[in-house]
Amino acid sequence: GDSVTQMEGPVTLSEEAFLTINCTYTATGYPSLFWYVQYPGEGLQLLLKATKADDKGSNKGFEATYRKETTSFHLEKGSVQVSDSAVYFCALRDWGTGANNLFFGTGTRLTVIP
Amino acid sequence: DGGITQSPKYLFRKEGQNVTLSCEQNLNHDAMYWYRQDPGQGLRLIYYSQIVNDFQKGDIAEGYSVSREKKESFPLTVTSAQKNPTAFYLCASSMASEQFFGPGTRLTVL
Repeated sequence: GDSVTQMEGPVTLSEEAFLTINCTYTATGYPSLFWYVQYPGEGLQLLLKATKADDKGSNKGFEATYRKETTSFHLEKGSVQVSDSAVYFCALRDWGTGANNLFFGTGTRLTVIP
Repeated sequence: DGGITQSPKYLFRKEGQNVTLSCEQNLNHDAMYWYRQDPGQGLRLIYYSQIVNDFQKGDIAEGYSVSREKKESFPLTVTSAQKNPTAFYLCASSMASEQFFGPGTRLTVL
């Protein structure tokens, strides 16, 4: 079945540090991959997405590349800010199975300290 | 502004009571979803609906019920049969691959 495994947190970084949050997936069909961000007390917001192998999604300085050979979609940012503190979720939608829902990882809490 | 609204933001319930969480969207999306979020866990799908008057169980539907009488609305009822209902509930809608989420309702059973 489909699943997403992401790096357990929490992750604590100093401002301007480099961020990587690992995400790997298992899918039986043709997945699209997503990163969502959740700020305290709020719902999830789409951060970036990639729909096919070798696509790179990017937004607000965050990037992730869809790597089919390693079944990965790691999230990176070159210089984090305090405002990036949030929980980050990796997710996939598997078009090949006909499923209409997203499969989520468990989330990684990022705290950025000044 | 287009979006998804959930109400109330905080909800308290006594054991044995049913409670209904509201979800409304004005994005003209066909599909709507309910997820449950527990601390340290990802989102788990409760129910989803792809069109009006149709809905399917997700991974953890036991103790929950839904209706989809209008395209804009997808209310979730947490029944007394749900043994551990305290959680953060998120509603979402989608037209294509991307899902848009509401702000969530935090339900606490006293």
